[in-house]
Amino acid sequence: KNEVEQSPQNLTAQEGEFITINCSYSVGISALHWLQQHPGGGIVSLFMLSSGKKKHGRLIATINIQEKHSSLHITASHPRDSAVYICAVPSGSQGNLIFGKGTKLSVKP
Amino acid sequence: EPEVTQTPSHQVTQMGQEVILRCVPISNHLYFYWYRQILGQKVEFLVSFYNNEISEKSEIFDDQFSVERPDGSNFTLKIRSTKLEDSAMYFCASNLQDPSYNEQFFGPGTRLTVL
Repeated sequence: KNEVEQSPQNLTAQEGEFITINCSYSVGISALHWLQQHPGGGIVSLFMLSSGKKKHGRLIATINIQEKHSSLHITASHPRDSAVYICAVPSGSQGNLIFGKGTKLSVKP
Repeated sequence: EPEVTQTPSHQVTQMGQEVILRCVPISNHLYFYWYRQILGQKVEFLVSFYNNEISEKSEIFDDQFSVERPDGSNFTLKIRSTKLEDSAMYFCASNLQDPSYNEQFFGPGTRLTVL
């Protein structure tokens, strides 16, 4: 069974700072998901990536399949980026996800 | 933009009562999931559903739980006799195809409180 570890668990940053959240997993995967959970509880998919790097606006996700490691970066962080960021990997053939514990990000103005 | 919807947003029930949580996945999606998140804990997989049957389930998904897709659009999770420990946020999700290579779309969740 895949184990998904995230670090840090909590992160406080000043507005404008560059943020990095890390995720490692124990068993090889086809793709990795980065998700954002808002304070109200809703989950939004940010990225799904299987190799290299993806960029959406100020968010960048990278993955190193050989090292079983992925990072999520936020450039020029803003208070509206405050949320829990969750890494998840597929398990089994039906795509059900195993989730990390999440990183709670708080960006102060 | 198409989205997954869930009702109700919050359900309060007494221990031992049956609850049905409802989800409407995105219309052309083929794979459906229920997850739960106990307050302060990580999201956990409950069950996946494909081609009108359960395709995979976790240890959490015991005989008290069941899922149905009664009319081709709704996807329901039933808890037969709720326990205090069933209190959690329940998320429905769906995939278009090939779940290992496609993102999942999550509903907003139903917060279940068992008293």
